[in-house]
Amino acid sequence: DAGVIQSPRHEVTEMGQEVTLRCKPISGHNSLFWYRQTMMRGLELLIYFNNNVPIDDSGMPEDRFSAKMPNASFSTLKIQPSEPRDSAVYFCASSLTGGIRGELFFGEGSRLTVL
Amino acid sequence: ILNVEQSPQSLHVQEGDSTNFTCSFPSSNFYALHWYRWETAKSPEALFVMTLNGDEKKKGRISATLNTKEGYSYLYIKGSQPEDSATYLCAFTDSSYKLIFGSGTRLLVRP
Repeated sequence: DAGVIQSPRHEVTEMGQEVTLRCKPISGHNSLFWYRQTMMRGLELLIYFNNNVPIDDSGMPEDRFSAKMPNASFSTLKIQPSEPRDSAVYFCASSLTGGIRGELFFGEGSRLTVL
Repeated sequence: ILNVEQSPQSLHVQEGDSTNFTCSFPSSNFYALHWYRWETAKSPEALFVMTLNGDEKKKGRISATLNTKEGYSYLYIKGSQPEDSATYLCAFTDSSYKLIFGSGTRLLVRP
């Protein structure tokens, strides 16, 4: 298996633009997580899905952020409009069986820079 | 609010030294405790997932213990090597299934 695949790996955009980050989880995994990594806060959980259903989105910073998982093999994290403080590395991770007793497998991250 | 604390924040050791780090987490409603190894410019990789009080797990020179009653886990590295240099993260979850990470311990092993 290719592992968790994220795109783009790097994105530089201007304030106010829409940003869409994409994630393909490992086939057969039914839990998917979006994390944001910053120097100040470390790895922050933004949202997680179980069987394509958002279970907890309390970590999503504000209404500018939205996430979807239309099917078991694809998820998006969208920021609209983007702001400089959104600059961070965004990680997607997936897990087998939906239980957190299984390890998370992380993608390589999407580094976002908002100018 | 789930609070996961790791200490020390950073650690420099000499090659061959053994070392250990601490992860503290809420002792109520425990579900699982994870350890991850995160090398620079890569993504975190799982080391251990522990679920039972008293669990001890080992992978090569790295081992971990778990005390759910008092809310702590230790990660041990025996005979540190330069390739062990990384950030070691622990993550906790209760029955809400939210996996919350600590801020990590950054280890640097000098040759």
